[in-house]
Amino acid sequence: KQEVTQIPAALSVPEGENLVLNCSFTDSAIYNLQWFRQDPGKGLTSLLLIQSSQREQTSGRLNASLDKSSGRSTLYIAASQPGDSATYLCAVLPDGQNFVFGPGTRLSVLP
Amino acid sequence: KAGVTQTPRYLIKTRGQQVTLSCSPISGHRSVSWYQQTPGQGLQFLFEYFSETQRNKGNFPGRFSGRQFSNSRSEMNVSTLELGDSALYLCASSLLAGINQETQYFGPGTRLLVL
Repeated sequence: KQEVTQIPAALSVPEGENLVLNCSFTDSAIYNLQWFRQDPGKGLTSLLLIQSSQREQTSGRLNASLDKSSGRSTLYIAASQPGDSATYLCAVLPDGQNFVFGPGTRLSVLP
Repeated sequence: KAGVTQTPRYLIKTRGQQVTLSCSPISGHRSVSWYQQTPGQGLQFLFEYFSETQRNKGNFPGRFSGRQFSNSRSEMNVSTLELGDSALYLCASSLLAGINQETQYFGPGTRLLVL
C-alpha cells in the first residue's frame, strides 16, 4: 500500500528566504507526482506535475524534483513571500489507483 | 472556462441524518473524484467516477456512496451520519481517468459539520 509522508509538518520562515519541502513515498511504482497548494478552508491548486520519466519541473519561483528510485521529491521555493503562506501537499499516482496524498507541510512566511 | 463547483459550501446535520453533496466538473471533464479531508486523517480518497461508472473506491464504509450523471455532474451521499463524518469534502475533476488523468482540478469543498 502506497504511503506518502511530508517533512517538516510546519515551517515558519522570514520573507525572502529560500526553502525546501520534502515528500517521501513508499512504492516507487508511480505514474506521476504532483505538488498542490491549499489555502485555509479552500480547495487544492495544482502547482507542479512531474511525470515518472522526468527529474524536475519548474514554474516561476518553484522547482520540484523527483527521485523515483529513492521515493523522494522536493519542492524548492525561492525568495519566499508572505503570499506563499499555505499548506503544501504532495500526491502520487500509483499504478491502477487514484492519487495518494501526503499530510502536507504548513508554511508561514513572515513579513 | 468555469472551474469545479460544489454545493452547498457549508452544511450542518445531526447524527443519523443523511446528506447529499453535489459537484459540477469543468466543462468537458469526464472524471470526478471525491475526497474527505480531516485534520487527523488528512486527504483520503473516497471514489472516482468516469462516464457514469465508478472506477475506483477508497476504504470507506458503505454509508458513503456516489453517482455520476450523463452530463458528468456527480453527487455523493452519506447516510446515517456519524460525528466522525464532519470534514471538508472535496471534489476534483480531470479530463481522463486513472493513470491517464494527469492533474486534477479541485473545487472549493463542502464543509460538513455533524452535531
